Amino acid sequence: DAGVTQSPTHLIKTRGQQVTLRCSPISGHKSVSWYQQVLGQGPQFIFQYYEKEERGRGNFPDRFSARQFPNYSSELNVNALLLGDSALYLCASSSPGQGVREQYFGPGTRLTVT
Amino acid sequence: DAKTTQPPSMDCAEGRAANLPCNHSTISGNEYVYWYRQIHSQGPQYIIHGLKNNETNEMASLIITEDRKSSTLILPHATLRDTAVYYCIAPPGSGGSNYKLTFGKGTLLTVNP
Repeated sequence: DAGVTQSPTHLIKTRGQQVTLRCSPISGHKSVSWYQQVLGQGPQFIFQYYEKEERGRGNFPDRFSARQFPNYSSELNVNALLLGDSALYLCASSSPGQGVREQYFGPGTRLTVT
Repeated sequence: DAKTTQPPSMDCAEGRAANLPCNHSTISGNEYVYWYRQIHSQGPQYIIHGLKNNETNEMASLIITEDRKSSTLILPHATLRDTAVYYCIAPPGSGGSNYKLTFGKGTLLTVNP
């Protein structure tokens, strides 16, 4: 079975622009979470969606938003990009039977803001 | 989340057992201990989790002390591919914010040939 997939792999944007990152969960997984990982730090939780509803949000500004589609794929949007938004953005999916803490991560999208 | 403390780095010889410690002295009774690892430039990978009994799977063993204040992840025969950052996480139990994982800085394990 395919794992979690994310697109694009790499992205370069300029300050002030908007970006959309995409994630497809493992087949059968209904929960998707987003994490931001800046260089040298562990991933930080941004959002979790389950059955198309937001179940949790981390300490991120309103410039960050997300949604989940009927097929359980998800998009993360970031508006008005800042240099500090440069990071690896990770998507993780989990199955209700496993518990949302047992998560399977994609390879990430490397965002560079110049 | 219970606070976890891990050494920043460890070395291990290839073929030997790697024992990665984690202190979680504030852990409560319904909080599991989870271990993930992150190989350079990849997403984190789930390894194992446990509550109070020792656990073993195809990747590793998890030893949790009787008072649950610390645990050790054991990679029985470390290979070069096990070089990674290892994260110990103790997310809240049911009724808490059980939808997120709070990653610290983890332990960078370097397996040397």
